Amino acid sequence: GDSVTQMEGPVTLSEEAFLTINCTYTATGYPSLFWYVQYPGEGLQLLLKATKADDKGSNKGFEATYRKETTSFHLEKGSVQVSDSAVYFCALSPGGTSYGKLTFGQGTILTVHP
Amino acid sequence: NAGVTQTPKFQVLKTGQSMTLQCAQDMNHNSMYWYRQDPGMGLRLIYYSASEGTTDKGEVPNGYNVSRLNKREFSLRLESAAPSQTSVYFCASSGGHGVNTEAFFGQGTRLTVV
Repeated sequence: GDSVTQMEGPVTLSEEAFLTINCTYTATGYPSLFWYVQYPGEGLQLLLKATKADDKGSNKGFEATYRKETTSFHLEKGSVQVSDSAVYFCALSPGGTSYGKLTFGQGTILTVHP
Repeated sequence: NAGVTQTPKFQVLKTGQSMTLQCAQDMNHNSMYWYRQDPGMGLRLIYYSASEGTTDKGEVPNGYNVSRLNKREFSLRLESAAPSQTSVYFCASSGGHGVNTEAFFGQGTRLTVV
């Protein structure tokens, strides 16, 4: 079946540092890929998505590129802020279906210090 | 816009008790989902409803039942709660088949079974 693997956490950074959170996937067909963010005490919010190979999703300074050849969707941000502290989830949905039937990675806790 | 509303937000049950988690969405979405979130495991799909009148099992359906009451509401029932069902439960909704919209999540229900 489909699966998503994220880098082990937690990740602790100083403000303005560069962020990378690795994500790789296994899936049949042509899945869509997502990054969700969960702030303390809240539900998940979509951060960015990519629906086909070589697409780049971006939002709030975060970026991720759908790499079919390496089955990866790594999340990057050039300069993190304290307000970026949250849990980040990589996820996929099977191609051709609505985007709610998701397979998630285990999540990566990010803490940013001033 | 309320989005996806879950009730209750917190619940403590004794082993063997039953309860129903409620979920309602006001976005006219066809599809609705129930996930559970456990530490280090991301979110896992319990049940989903692709459209009103249909329900299907997800990855971890044992011990749960669901009802798609109408287009807006999708409830999750624990008939005889077990400590292994201690978790945070999230409801989500998204556009139906063929309509590729992101999934919107509720705030979650934190359930403890003692």
